[in-house]
Amino acid sequence: SQQGEEDPQALSIQEGENATMNCSYKTSINNLQWYRQNSGRGLVHLILIRSNEREKHSGRLRVTLDTSKKSSSLLITASRAADTASYFCARVSSNTGKLIFGQGTTLQVKP
Amino acid sequence: GAGVSQSPSNKVTEKGKDVELRCDPISGHTALYWYRQSLGQGLEFLIYFQGNSAPDKSGLPSDRFSAERTGGSVSTLTIQRTQQEDSAVYLCASSLAAAGGQETQYFGPGTRLLVL
Repeated sequence: SQQGEEDPQALSIQEGENATMNCSYKTSINNLQWYRQNSGRGLVHLILIRSNEREKHSGRLRVTLDTSKKSSSLLITASRAADTASYFCARVSSNTGKLIFGQGTTLQVKP
Repeated sequence: GAGVSQSPSNKVTEKGKDVELRCDPISGHTALYWYRQSLGQGLEFLIYFQGNSAPDKSGLPSDRFSAERTGGSVSTLTIQRTQQEDSAVYLCASSLAAAGGQETQYFGPGTRLLVL
């Protein structure tokens, strides 16, 4: 399968705790993107990290990329109940821009 | 501004019928993508349009699936002779351009298709 691996598949934490999700992929990338999905509908773009970047921040989100290990991680700090959602990493395939998604991590943040 | 819109939100159809799903991309976005999300297969790429170039149809699962993009804007995904395994959420996304894949893709809310 072209799809990457994400772990854990499911994560349950208390509000205020940090959540870390990992993503691995098999082929070279132009960039890697993280998305959030609520209730199985539209995807919301969170962060894009380019292949020559190692870390990127956006608010409470921190993404790292290790191209030598072909892996990325998404850290959500000081989680809130509203962060409850599924999170997907997606690598960009060549120049077409089409996204190859991982299986996703379902995050539950308990109030 | 307005985001990507899709219609209908939900569609229930009988096996063997044809369905059309519509996507209105963000104005000015030249790249348009269709994806499918199902329980067994996760999120899969279906087809991609970029300007006036020939579409990349490499993700279409069978010849029952086709898509067109009229006037470089609205796109329609057609599924002929629907099967139960076609049941899924069909997601459309658009971006400014696809060169190098460095542009963010903005997704619509999806159409949930149920084939009985």
